[in-house]
Amino acid sequence: QVTLKESGPALVKPTQTLTLTCTFSGFSLSTYGMRVSWIRQPPGKALEWLARIDWDDDKFYSASLRTRLTISKDTSKNQVVLTMTNVDPMDTATYFCARIPTADDSWFDYWGQGTLVTVSS
Amino acid sequence: DIPMTQSPSSLSASVGDRVTITCRASQSINSYLNWYQQRSGKAPKLLIYAASTLQSGVPSRFSGSGFGTDFTLTISSLQPEDFATYYCQQSFSTPPYTFGQGTKLEIK
Repeated sequence: QVTLKESGPALVKPTQTLTLTCTFSGFSLSTYGMRVSWIRQPPGKALEWLARIDWDDDKFYSASLRTRLTISKDTSKNQVVLTMTNVDPMDTATYFCARIPTADDSWFDYWGQGTLVTVSS
Repeated sequence: DIPMTQSPSSLSASVGDRVTITCRASQSINSYLNWYQQRSGKAPKLLIYAASTLQSGVPSRFSGSGFGTDFTLTISSLQPEDFATYYCQQSFSTPPYTFGQGTKLEIK
């Protein structure tokens, strides 16, 4: 079955770089059409899409965060990594990774449990 | 970006009620609209994709409709486990993808 799980630090200081890893199973990111996104949710607020990486290594980013985000994949390890530079308390959120199962549309059919990241000095 | 507006922001209803949640896009998105349910402290769960296709395993009391800019999610007979927050998400063209602000469904 398909599973995804996020990992990373629970607490980071302002101006530091945050690195989050999504480890997945049940599918391969080298398979045509497969894609993985990162989405975050500040406490009590709505979901916000951050980035996407595709089976062919195409990458897309939120316009407002583009300069601070980098997404990458390690197909052999079944992992997707998101780095966010120069974090701010406003980046405090639960970060989710999710799978997009098709090249023809972009719905998120499987999600990780999420990891809460707090940005505070 | 394509802003998505959900209404209402919150809704109180009783078990057995029929409820409808609306999502409006700022421009036409054809049928590139998806619906998620998020229970408290959990990850979102895909309910409906491509405006009206029920995700595998989702009960048939959930249904979606709409095209262009206006979409609805309907729950035909509320069950206790349906009290949660619901989000719409547009997937029109290339990213960025945008979500609605959410509709919190509470027990009356």
